[in-house]
Amino acid sequence: QKEVEQDPGPLSVPEGAIVSLNCTYSNSAFQYFMWYRQYSRKGPELLMYTYSSGNKEDGRFTAQVDKSSKYISLFIRDSQPSDSATYLCAMAISNFGNEKLTFGTGTRLTIIP
Amino acid sequence: SAVISQKPSRDICQRGTSLTIQCQVDSQVTMMFWYRQQPGQSLTLIATANQGSEATYESGFVIDKFPISRPNLTFSTLTVSNMSPEDSSIYLCSVERRDEQFFGPGTRLTVL
Repeated sequence: QKEVEQDPGPLSVPEGAIVSLNCTYSNSAFQYFMWYRQYSRKGPELLMYTYSSGNKEDGRFTAQVDKSSKYISLFIRDSQPSDSATYLCAMAISNFGNEKLTFGTGTRLTIIP
Repeated sequence: SAVISQKPSRDICQRGTSLTIQCQVDSQVTMMFWYRQQPGQSLTLIATANQGSEATYESGFVIDKFPISRPNLTFSTLTVSNMSPEDSSIYLCSVERRDEQFFGPGTRLTVL
């Protein structure tokens, strides 16, 4: 069993729709949870991170963590064509700056104008 | 954030040869990481490189296959040795800054 499972998609939604991206994990030691966005032929860029259960909001993006269920989600409201990218969830056991990150396989998202 | 450049951006290599990938950062960093991103698979950490010490390799990766140099606080190289088609992948370097990891643009390697 992989430590982190992520639906690879691809996922296509119309512009303006709410997008839900999800990951599950099996290692209860994970304490830091991140979402990276990766445009084609670019490196991943950090979108959001959190280390507690509950919701964290940043503009149109909301990260949700449920440690009891070992489940994290990223919601994108009012989706835009510029949101089209691959979204990667990542996790770390401790401070994720200098720690090994464990990634999901990524979900390819396309927002249709 | 951190400005990270990698060279080459892509390459096509023959089986049995070696390729050295360079990673340059715009300012000094303590830790640098090398990841591999294979098609349809998750980003996987190859090794962690601190300046002045031997790189630390993850399970499944060995120094003979992926030698790493870290001569100073802004530069590192990863060599993919004795390549086979299974080494075809995107290789990314990453650096830690202010408790976050920032990634370079990646090197797309194809081995024939």
